[in-house]
Amino acid sequence: DGGITQSPKYLFRKEGQNVTLSCEQNLNHDAMYWYRQDPGQGLRLIYYSQIVNDFQKGDIAEGYSVSREKKESFPLTVTSAQKNPTAFYLCASSPGTGRSSYEQYFGPGTRLTVT
Amino acid sequence: GENVEQHPSTLSVQEGDSAVIKCTYSDSASNYFPWYKQELGKRPQLIIDIRSNVGEKKDQRIAVTLNKTAKHFSLHITETQPEDSAVYFCAASKGGGGNKLTFGTGTQLKVEL
Repeated sequence: DGGITQSPKYLFRKEGQNVTLSCEQNLNHDAMYWYRQDPGQGLRLIYYSQIVNDFQKGDIAEGYSVSREKKESFPLTVTSAQKNPTAFYLCASSPGTGRSSYEQYFGPGTRLTVT
Repeated sequence: GENVEQHPSTLSVQEGDSAVIKCTYSDSASNYFPWYKQELGKRPQLIIDIRSNVGEKKDQRIAVTLNKTAKHFSLHITETQPEDSAVYFCAASKGGGGNKLTFGTGTQLKVEL
């Protein structure tokens, strides 16, 4: 999981501003995921991508957008339409194929605070 | 969609005792069940997983059991140590369509000296 990086570690924004969170991996994984973590609620899936130039909505996609232009990168934009954006955001990647295709490995996370 | 319930939400044990965390899932098509450990402020780390064609899997002090008929699976930690203190999450996936994971709400395990 050391091959997945997220930046920045902490991010502060004013309400009404869009903000983009970075996620990069050098594991040659096909699949990438974005989760949101709130206290007491576990991890909830925002978006996922199985291959380059393709992505799908997860359970809580409203107010978020993503792109997957490169295999290594899967940035998440938190838009002003997201009603409660303050949370811990985790990116994950998975081989997508083969024996370990199901295993997901997480980045260190970005803690976003919107005031 | 899939729903995963996890119990208990908090668990306190004495060092050296065993700890058991239980999860139930709703979708009988789920076939992959990982467990993650998350220390405060850190990333979740995969500690063990099990597939639906196996009933039990062990790795040193941790083990996972799966009952497909009842749709529940459990994490067992033996000889607990203070460094086992963390939040543990179970999850379930039915593969296909991106191998999406549905997570339980977590168990805060505290191992007391």
